[in-house]
Amino acid sequence: QSALTQPPSASGSPGQSVTISCTGTSSDVGGYNYVSWFQQHPGKAPKVMIYEVSKRPSGVPDRFSGSKSGNTASLTVSGLQAEDEADYYCSSFAGNSKVVFGGGTKLTVL
Amino acid sequence: QVQLQESGPGLVKPSETLSLTCTVSGYSISSGYYWGWIRQPPGEGLEWIGNIYRSGTTYYNTSLKSRVTISVDTSKNQLSLKLSSVTAADTAVFYCARFNWNVDFWGQGILITVSS
Repeated sequence: QSALTQPPSASGSPGQSVTISCTGTSSDVGGYNYVSWFQQHPGKAPKVMIYEVSKRPSGVPDRFSGSKSGNTASLTVSGLQAEDEADYYCSSFAGNSKVVFGGGTKLTVL
Repeated sequence: QVQLQESGPGLVKPSETLSLTCTVSGYSISSGYYWGWIRQPPGEGLEWIGNIYRSGTTYYNTSLKSRVTISVDTSKNQLSLKLSSVTAADTAVFYCARFNWNVDFWGQGILITVSS
């Protein structure tokens, strides 16, 4: 399974918005509405921020939003805060119980 | 709340078999969902290893399929991972996870180092 494509880095100033893209194929991102986004701080386990393209688990701020168009999913973080600085990974269901991940994006809050 | 806890030796010698166990609490594996493993080499991204259903049906990453075995013990509410013929390239943090089409619960992870 090929990894999904994410930009290696993204940045923004506090209060700004930043969008991270995640590009796959019609066999994963484009074929299913089961894209998730995970936030990972150094030394910690990933945390679910978005699931099923645009749904937020309880406790995740509404500053985090997700969307999808064709084979590309996106995570937008609005009103950037210092604690948002972390690595972000996208993931997609890819059929037959298989899951594929993106390479990760390091988000820096300037 | 679903909780997953990985356990196993922190150090494995090259060419040997890595064996990990994940103990699940707050949910019975026999009730449903897929359960599996993900790994993350130091400083690198996440890689899906494989999943298993309560019936024992398994799905593996094709790049690891020849070396991986995932099993489940519903009586102990545990799942296990065996990775054979390990090399230094298998050094990673290994996470067990519950899959609801995608990961919805993660374990805290365990660092496994392959070294002589």
